[in-house]
Amino acid sequence: EAQVTQNPRYLITVTGKKLTVTCSQNMNHEYMSWYRQDPGLGLRQIYYSMNVEVTDKGDVPEGYKVSRKEKRNFPLILESPSPNQTSLYFCASSHDRVLSGANVLTFGAGSRLTVL
Amino acid sequence: GNSVTQMEGPVTLSEEAFLTINCTYTATGYPSLFWYVQYPGEGLQLLLKATKADDKGSNKGFEATYRKETTSFHLEKGSVQVSDSAVYFCALGITGRRALTFGSGTRLQVQP
Repeated sequence: EAQVTQNPRYLITVTGKKLTVTCSQNMNHEYMSWYRQDPGLGLRQIYYSMNVEVTDKGDVPEGYKVSRKEKRNFPLILESPSPNQTSLYFCASSHDRVLSGANVLTFGAGSRLTVL
Repeated sequence: GNSVTQMEGPVTLSEEAFLTINCTYTATGYPSLFWYVQYPGEGLQLLLKATKADDKGSNKGFEATYRKETTSFHLEKGSVQVSDSAVYFCALGITGRRALTFGSGTRLQVQP
């Protein structure tokens, strides 16, 4: 089954404790992206990647890091989490490197992160 | 810049009622428009899309028409079911850009 898999689905952590949210897709997609979803704000892009070893900032990259060492994986790293990073995170992928009207995103099921 | 404005929710309807969720947008260039749906505990799924003015996207009984003159892409369904309860997101994409722009989402609750 074609899918985007995120782990963990739920995580409670404390301020300053480094964590990584993994994302893996099995569709051989070129493009991958991370979004965060907050009430009243919709989804905002954190980082994206158009290919292996190519990553770039989205609209809200502060406090996050990513890497794209393999095509299928795109982990999100919070080096020193803070309470304002409490959110619902989604990984998404797409076949084409450049988004267009004919292209759609496939989303993971989400990772709910709470930072105390 | 680009932005999407959706009606605030929650929208609460009885089963078999008519649904409209309003969506308007501002964009530089000519966007493609999307509706994504998020069922409880799941990620977003594409519901329908339209890539140019006057196109109508449709899926699972839902419809939306790309109205360039009113910069709108309202979502409609003639008869909702309890299983349609979800959060609905309107989004736009500009060819060549690296991200979709999402609205804030509208929660729909359908009561039996």
